[in-house]
Amino acid sequence: NAGVTQTPKFQVLKTGQSMTLQCAQDMNHNSMYWYRQDPGMGLRLIYYSASEGTTDKGEVPNGYNVSRLNKREFSLRLESAAPSQTSVYFCASSGTPYGYTFGSGTRLTVV
Amino acid sequence: AQSVTQLGSHVSVSEGALVLLRCNYSSSVPPYLFWYVQYPNQGLQLLLKYTSAATLVKGINGFEAEFKKSETSFHLTKPSAHMSDAAEYFCAVSFYNNNDMRFGAGTRLTVKP
Repeated sequence: NAGVTQTPKFQVLKTGQSMTLQCAQDMNHNSMYWYRQDPGMGLRLIYYSASEGTTDKGEVPNGYNVSRLNKREFSLRLESAAPSQTSVYFCASSGTPYGYTFGSGTRLTVV
Repeated sequence: AQSVTQLGSHVSVSEGALVLLRCNYSSSVPPYLFWYVQYPNQGLQLLLKYTSAATLVKGINGFEAEFKKSETSFHLTKPSAHMSDAAEYFCAVSFYNNNDMRFGAGTRLTVKP
């Protein structure tokens, strides 16, 4: 089925470890996004990529880096994980301003 | 900057009753408004969207929302709740060529038998 695929689905890290969350979409969308979801705070934008080769900071970019590898793939990297980065991470893509398609999420716990 | 406020973090209704989930927005330019639904352990799914056409928008699963500029509101309604409607609902705002979609904190809907 067409959509947004995120890997891994679950991850436990120790403080200070690094990891990369992967995201791929097969809808030929130009724009891709990374959000984090925390209880009572909705979704907050970390980074986005309006087109291949460009990335921009969102609302909460500190502690994260991103790479738009090609039109399909947009990865999120935590260089030195902290407990405050315990969250559920969602990747999304959009071909127009009219709504996003979301992946199923990555549940990350930093201990 | 644009933002949305969802009134009520939890709403509980009986099966068959009216569902009303409230959303107010703040935007300095005409907004695009969205409602998303999230079922447990899943991503967000688009329910409906307002993009400056008809002010009454119909979505999937019998939901609809009305854009009221004078009240800066975009409340979500469904005439008769079903058990399968139990989920978390998010209101969101963006505008054309803006890649910064802002989400409300979410409203968890519980449907009682």
